Amino acid sequence: GQQLNQNPQSMFIQEGEDVSMNCTSSSIFNTWLWYKQDPGEGPVLLIALYKAGELTSNGRLTAQFGITRKDSFLNISASIPSDVGIYFCAGRQGGSEKLVFGKGTKLTVNP
Amino acid sequence: ETGVTQTPRHLVMGMTNKKSLKCEQHLGHNAMYWYKQSAKKPLELMFVYSLEERVENNSVPSRFSPECPNSSHLFLHLHTLQPEDSALYLCASSPTGIGYGYTFGSGTRLTVV
Repeated sequence: GQQLNQNPQSMFIQEGEDVSMNCTSSSIFNTWLWYKQDPGEGPVLLIALYKAGELTSNGRLTAQFGITRKDSFLNISASIPSDVGIYFCAGRQGGSEKLVFGKGTKLTVNP
Repeated sequence: ETGVTQTPRHLVMGMTNKKSLKCEQHLGHNAMYWYKQSAKKPLELMFVYSLEERVENNSVPSRFSPECPNSSHLFLHLHTLQPEDSALYLCASSPTGIGYGYTFGSGTRLTVV
């Protein structure tokens, strides 16, 4: 089935640093979503993107829907310890209700 | 409170046991999903129900048996599981139709001994 390549697989950063992660595909997606999963919990939706080029923010988080519709980016500014978790990208292709998930980026923030 | 509630949160079962996982949503969604999440693996879609009809079964072994009695409830019946079935089992729901994200429950951490 269709796969999303999510990079990096893990990140270790200092508190206060900015973070960037991305998700790419060989196919076009019509919707991009970013989720965060805290340890022992289910993923929670952070940001949803519906149009190519769209840039959307949610507090310190900003995500972009790539112009080619084959990628998406998530940035976290001024990281704090509670940003720790696994961040998943997810995409939906035209005509499909099903979401395809990336493998996740595990973020560790050192105080 | 995510709107999708899964019980139990933790389950330890022997390979000969029969147990069931329960998922309940009160968001008015018409589609429900079971995912398996193992360590160092991506989320694996197991089953999809849309309007109470099973619309997808991703080659899941028959020892996993889903049931969707109504649009608010989803069960996963387990029997004669293997140790490699130990994982976090996540339930999700969404409105039907293109353009919506999924709302996940907190999951059931299953350990098969």
